[in-house]
Amino acid sequence: EIVLTQSPGTLSLSPGERATLSCRASQSVTSTYLAWYQQKPGQAPRLLIYGASTRDTGIPDRFSGSGSGTDFTLTISRLEPEDFAIYYCQQYGSSSPTFGGGTKVEIK
Amino acid sequence: QVQLVESGGGVVQPGRSLRLSCAASGFTFNSYDMHWVRQAPGKGLEWVAVISFDGSNKDYVDSVKGRFTISRDNSKNTLYLQINSLRAEDTAIYYCAKDPGLRGSSWYYFKHWGQGTLVTVSS
Repeated sequence: EIVLTQSPGTLSLSPGERATLSCRASQSVTSTYLAWYQQKPGQAPRLLIYGASTRDTGIPDRFSGSGSGTDFTLTISRLEPEDFAIYYCQQYGSSSPTFGGGTKVEIK
Repeated sequence: QVQLVESGGGVVQPGRSLRLSCAASGFTFNSYDMHWVRQAPGKGLEWVAVISFDGSNKDYVDSVKGRFTISRDNSKNTLYLQINSLRAEDTAIYYCAKDPGLRGSSWYYFKHWGQGTLVTVSS
């Protein structure tokens, strides 16, 4: 099983600031099969990024994903009020997909 | 548009069984693999199971093998999860999710999710 470790656990930032979220895998993720999700309280997760860097339909371009192998990053270039939420990475390169523990982006 | 509506959750005693359902609409249900993903209260996400578009292939996370059974009825556009021998650690919101791949080209990431159904295992 591939273990994903997200850091930091909590990120305290102000609207307009840049957010950089990290996701590190215990072994190389096949073919950049890495996705990012946003989850707000009481809601299902929302797909933001797949294939490590491809934004899903309708996702604003302030969200970007990068990385390969074992190190991946989600960047939010300028935080909007609606971006404060929990973010999860997920690998789907192995037969058993796994999620990271999440990073909470909170208002400072 | 794609709609997934889960049902069947509730409060159940340890050791009992429960069947969750997910009614799908807005897409050709029998062309897509379907998944269950769960989230314990205040915790992260855990992929639970997948079933192929035609029901011929199934897979599970190791922690539920032998107790959970995923199935589907393509004539009813409905996905199921049978949970037996419920344990406290099965307490979670259970989401059904659609695989984006068409007819066997499974991707195992999740663009469309239901709103979830809460299963609470408690005596």
